[in-house]
Amino acid sequence: DGGITQSPKYLFRKEGQNVTLSCEQNLNHDAMYWYRQDPGQGLRLIYYSQIVNDFQKGDIAEGYSVSREKKESFPLTVTSAQKNPTAFYLCASSIIIFGADEQFFGPGTRLTVL
Amino acid sequence: DQQVKQNSPSLSVQEGRISILNCDYTNSMFDYFLWYKKYPAEGPTFLISISSIKDKNEDGRFTVFLNKSAKHLSLHIVPSQPGDSAVYFCAASEGAPASKLTFGTGTRLQVTL
Repeated sequence: DGGITQSPKYLFRKEGQNVTLSCEQNLNHDAMYWYRQDPGQGLRLIYYSQIVNDFQKGDIAEGYSVSREKKESFPLTVTSAQKNPTAFYLCASSIIIFGADEQFFGPGTRLTVL
Repeated sequence: DQQVKQNSPSLSVQEGRISILNCDYTNSMFDYFLWYKKYPAEGPTFLISISSIKDKNEDGRFTVFLNKSAKHLSLHIVPSQPGDSAVYFCAASEGAPASKLTFGTGTRLQVTL
């Protein structure tokens, strides 16, 4: 059945290490997104991609990098430059259609930097 | 600058009663609004949406009302059920394709027995 998978569910890393979060979708959606959620805050957009081999910075892209080599996959790398990486990370995808664009979310990855 | 605001961080409602969750926005260019529901440690799931050409959209127990002049929308859940207990996020976008969503901070709804 179709959906979005994120792995791993929980991730622990030492400070100063880069870490890559996986996101895969089999919904045949063109657009994919990465969000970050912190306690008491709304979801904030990190990066998004509307087609393969193209992506744009969201509102809080500093310290993160992405790639979109395949339609199904949109991995996010949290680099050592990200000052406060501990958070809940959500990947989403959507069909781009006129006037409506409901995003489907994965289950999330909770990253804890020790 | 928070363009989408949910001023009530939490709400408690008795089972069977109406739950009303509120959302205010400041960007007059927003023309499409969505509500998402989120359980702990899970991704949000889409609940209901409304275009700015409408002032009401209904789907079963869920109704969203939009007041453009007040830049305010609300989600009504009638009757509330214990399974509705979750965090509800309001989101808005401008133009089409409406890819970039701006989310509110969420309201935690607790439906009590």
